Amino acid sequence: AQTIHQWPVAEIKAVGSPLSLGCTIKGKSSPNLYWYWQATGGTLQQLFYSITVGQVESVVQLNLSASRPKDDQFILSTEKLLLSHSGFYLCAWVWGSSYEQYFGPGTRLTVL
Amino acid sequence: GQQVKQSSPSLTVQEGGISILNCDYENDMFDYFAWYKKYPDNSPTLLISVRSNVDKREDGRLTVFLNKSGKHFSLHITASQPEDTAVYLCAAANQGGSAKLIFGEGTKLTVSS
Repeated sequence: AQTIHQWPVAEIKAVGSPLSLGCTIKGKSSPNLYWYWQATGGTLQQLFYSITVGQVESVVQLNLSASRPKDDQFILSTEKLLLSHSGFYLCAWVWGSSYEQYFGPGTRLTVL
Repeated sequence: GQQVKQSSPSLTVQEGGISILNCDYENDMFDYFAWYKKYPDNSPTLLISVRSNVDKREDGRLTVFLNKSGKHFSLHITASQPEDTAVYLCAAANQGGSAKLIFGEGTKLTVSS
């Protein structure tokens, strides 16, 4: 069975500090991977997607970047956090030609 | 503009009743429509989805109705139970968009006993 993990579970960071969030999926090879973000009270927005290793497409910038260093890993990062980066970050996967997206447990980020 | 819109931010239904959640979309190219359930501080869970070649799909107490001409789809939950209380998100995607799901803002469903 496929499993998706995100780390850390929660993070409290200072404005201007760097950030790295991770997502790993096990049990499926070559999935499409996605990063989503939801501000408190806001709509879930797709930020990035990747269909293969080393290839990432940006959907919404938000001064963040993403990388896919391995088939089963997707990283979201920034060198300088803003207050507006606070929120809930979700990783999701799709496999094959399916549209069905399944989400990881999420990371709650608070920027102070 | 908002490509996928849930016009009702909240809905309250009596236990045992039918919950009807609505979603409108703008993009004619959408060919996949889904409903997710989300609890606070949890990730969305896929409930049910349809492709554009069908106008209805049933799964237990859940039914999705798709009205392509009206650019509208809905989720009906029969025999609503208190544990159905959650935020329901509709989402849509088009084939050429690498499964880029566009989500609505969500409707908070409360089932009262």
